Amino acid sequence: KAGVTQTPRYLIKTRGQQVTLSCSPISGHRSVSWYQQTPGQGLQFLFEYFSETQRNKGNFPGRFSGRQFSNSRSEMNVSTLELGDSALYLCASSPRTSGRDGETQYFGPGTRLLVL
Amino acid sequence: DQQVKQNSPSLSVQEGRISILNCDYTNSMFDYFLWYKKYPAEGPTFLISISSIKDKNEDGRFTVFLNKSAKHLSLHIVPSQPGDSAVYFCAASAISGNQFYFGTGTSLTVIP
Repeated sequence: KAGVTQTPRYLIKTRGQQVTLSCSPISGHRSVSWYQQTPGQGLQFLFEYFSETQRNKGNFPGRFSGRQFSNSRSEMNVSTLELGDSALYLCASSPRTSGRDGETQYFGPGTRLLVL
Repeated sequence: DQQVKQNSPSLSVQEGRISILNCDYTNSMFDYFLWYKKYPAEGPTFLISISSIKDKNEDGRFTVFLNKSAKHLSLHIVPSQPGDSAVYFCAASAISGNQFYFGTGTSLTVIP
């Protein structure tokens, strides 16, 4: 079974631009979560999607948004990029809902975003 | 507010010895805990988990201990191997919640 895939793997943008990142979950997984990883901050939860609906949202500004398609693929968008948005963005999938019934999340390799 | 904390950013251990990685949490509603390992340029991979009904879970060289009264969990790796060198994240979730809360990670270096 193929793992979680994320595209692109690396991205360089300038301040003020917007960016869209893509995540394809493991086949059959319906829950997709997004995290931001920065040095010293660990993994910060952005949001979770399940069956095309955002079920939970972390403490990030509205510039960060996402969506999920009927095939469970998910995209994350960041508008008006700031220097502080430079980070590794990780996507994780699980069969049903992350955090329920002891489920485990499976992570993709991440997209490293550099904002200049 | 960091609900899951890993207070040691780094740890070095000799090959063959025990590695002990620690994690503290503040939310008493957390009832499921996991450890992930992350190599550079890769996403975190699941290592081991423990539910709050247990105080110990073992899988080969890896054992996780949970002390609910102290809101503390630890990961023991015995014996440590150079391939264990990675960043280790602990994570927690509550049965009523929809997300995992992650610590900031501990970078483990196993010296051959």
